[in-house]
Amino acid sequence: KQEVTQIPAALSVPEGENLVLNCSFTDSAIYNLQWFRQDPGKGLTSLLLIQSSQREQTSGRLNASLDKSSGRSTLYIAASQPGDSATYLCAVLIGTSYGKLTFGQGTILTVHP
Amino acid sequence: NAGVMQNPRHLVRRRGQEARLRCSPMKGHSHVYWYRQLPEEGLKFMVYLQKENIIDESGMPKERFSAEFPKEGPSILRIQQVVRGDSAAYFCASSRDRGSNQPQHFGDGTRLSIL
Repeated sequence: KQEVTQIPAALSVPEGENLVLNCSFTDSAIYNLQWFRQDPGKGLTSLLLIQSSQREQTSGRLNASLDKSSGRSTLYIAASQPGDSATYLCAVLIGTSYGKLTFGQGTILTVHP
Repeated sequence: NAGVMQNPRHLVRRRGQEARLRCSPMKGHSHVYWYRQLPEEGLKFMVYLQKENIIDESGMPKERFSAEFPKEGPSILRIQQVVRGDSAAYFCASSRDRGSNQPQHFGDGTRLSIL
């Protein structure tokens, strides 16, 4: 059974700091890994998608890496801003249906001015 | 270019009643997914549908829950005879196609409260 773990559970940093969020998964048979952010009372916003054959993806100040063999992914946020405060979720796509995302519990990020 | 639309945003039901949650996917998307987020727990996959077909229902409870995605109209998640433990946020997502390069786009969810 696939399990996804995110460390740390919560993180509080001053504005401007570079930070790393970690995600690990137990079964390397994944099709892709996605990073999302969730704001309170809202749905999920897709940030980055890394296919299993890829090593990393970048979007603006965000960079996500994937090491499928070791079951790890990191989300790097450069020059953090208060607007980055949210819950960050990683999820892996598994199963023959290509439809089932398995989520971690998330990292609650607070960036204070 | 509207995103995934879910309604209602909040739904209150008494124990034993039925709850119907609706999801309209993004324009051009024919694949719909439902997830549930219980209090203090992560998101859990429930069901994956493509127009008129259930592709994967491995996360659906065996009783009281059903889902459909008809040829015309939104996808419906139906919960019969609701119980307190059904209180959760229910999220719908959609994608254009099936495949490892297809991100799922999420709606804002329906918060279901059972009295």
